[in-house]
Amino acid sequence: DVKVTQSSRYLVKRTGEKVFLECVQDMDHENMFWYRQDPGLGLRLIYFSYDVKMKEKGDIPEGYSVSREKKERFSLILESASTNQTSMYLCASSGQNTGELFFGEGSRLTVL
Amino acid sequence: GENVEQHPSTLSVQEGDSAVIKCTYSDSASNYFPWYKQELGKRPQLIIDIRSNVGEKKDQRIAVTLNKTAKHFSLHITETQPEDSAVYFCAGRSFQKLVFGTGTRLLVSP
Repeated sequence: DVKVTQSSRYLVKRTGEKVFLECVQDMDHENMFWYRQDPGLGLRLIYFSYDVKMKEKGDIPEGYSVSREKKERFSLILESASTNQTSMYLCASSGQNTGELFFGEGSRLTVL
Repeated sequence: GENVEQHPSTLSVQEGDSAVIKCTYSDSASNYFPWYKQELGKRPQLIIDIRSNVGEKKDQRIAVTLNKTAKHFSLHITETQPEDSAVYFCAGRSFQKLVFGTGTRLLVSP
């Protein structure tokens, strides 16, 4: 059974703080993704990675960065959190030749 | 880049009725169109998908149709049940990026 684990389910941070969201998958998947989910806006792609140390911008990368030092781990970094980054963040992974995304349970971030 | 539009945003049906959710996409290079179901408080999960070389696919009570010429695809759920109540997302894939629609909240009333 594929498992995508996000380190924190709920976080509360202050404006200007640096925030790390960690994601680990155990299926040796090449591709990993970070989405944010907001009501009425669906799932919007922030960044994705198709290999170790590789990263590609998604549709809303501003204010975020990512790190993929190991195949199983993909981190999302908010260098200076702002209130408009309050959201649900979903990590996902997929294999090289399959389309199915396997999602983590999500990290709900509140920035005060 | 790809843009996926999804309608309706909410859909209420009686148990046993059919439900149809429609999506359009913009990138003619998109070749893969999955549908995800997200129950309240849970992660999205794939329920069915279709590739661009196929016009229709069925899996028990759910089916997906694809019209490449018109660039639209639809999810059909027959004999709806209360456990079908959830948010459904369509998506299109172009160059490894999966772009999602804004979601449809389906409510099935007993």
